[in-house]
Amino acid sequence: AQKVTQAQTEISVVEKEDVTLDCVYETRDTTYYLFWYKQPPSGELVFLIRRNSFDEQNEISGRYSWNFQKSTSSFNFTITASQVVDSAVYFCALGLAGGTSYGKLTFGQGTILTVHP
Amino acid sequence: DAGVIQSPRHEVTEMGQEVTLRCKPISGHDYLFWYRQTMMRGLELLIYFNNNVPIDDSGMPEDRFSAKMPNASFSTLKIQPSEPRDSAVYFCASSLAPGGADGYTFGSGTRLTVV
Repeated sequence: AQKVTQAQTEISVVEKEDVTLDCVYETRDTTYYLFWYKQPPSGELVFLIRRNSFDEQNEISGRYSWNFQKSTSSFNFTITASQVVDSAVYFCALGLAGGTSYGKLTFGQGTILTVHP
Repeated sequence: DAGVIQSPRHEVTEMGQEVTLRCKPISGHDYLFWYRQTMMRGLELLIYFNNNVPIDDSGMPEDRFSAKMPNASFSTLKIQPSEPRDSAVYFCASSLAPGGADGYTFGSGTRLTVV
């Protein structure tokens, strides 16, 4: 069975601080996909990034960066110079590329990030 | 494209009543998913379709829940009879294919309250 663990339930930072959200996953499959989603107070789920299991390159998009390490089964997300608008719940998710679980996403419990002015 | 469209945004109903949630996926997306979000259980997959065919409904909590996808542009999730423990936010999502580069696109959700 697949599992995604976001150990940090809540994080509180002051604006302009850097913050890293941790994500650890478990799967026996060799081909899988990892995702991060943002859920702002308005409630919708916003797609941020998708990574496949064969691509361990880190990625940077503006103030966002992601560190994927298969050796530790982690897919961490860093926000540099955080802003109040970054306040949201962030979800890490795992999807499989085959078998009976093909297409399903398993979500972590989410990390509530609050950025104070 | 307008994205994944769900209706209604909010639904308040009395215990025992039938509730129908609606979803219009993004045109051309072959996969449609129904998720439920609660404080206790987080985001959990209820059912998903591929080319209008239900593939996995193992997440449907019980027989009171049913889902249909009569065509590529419309899906419903029905709860009959509804119970207070069904109160949650129900999300519909669609994807061109699992693991697609654009991820899964979620609708805005339907907040269901059963009193």
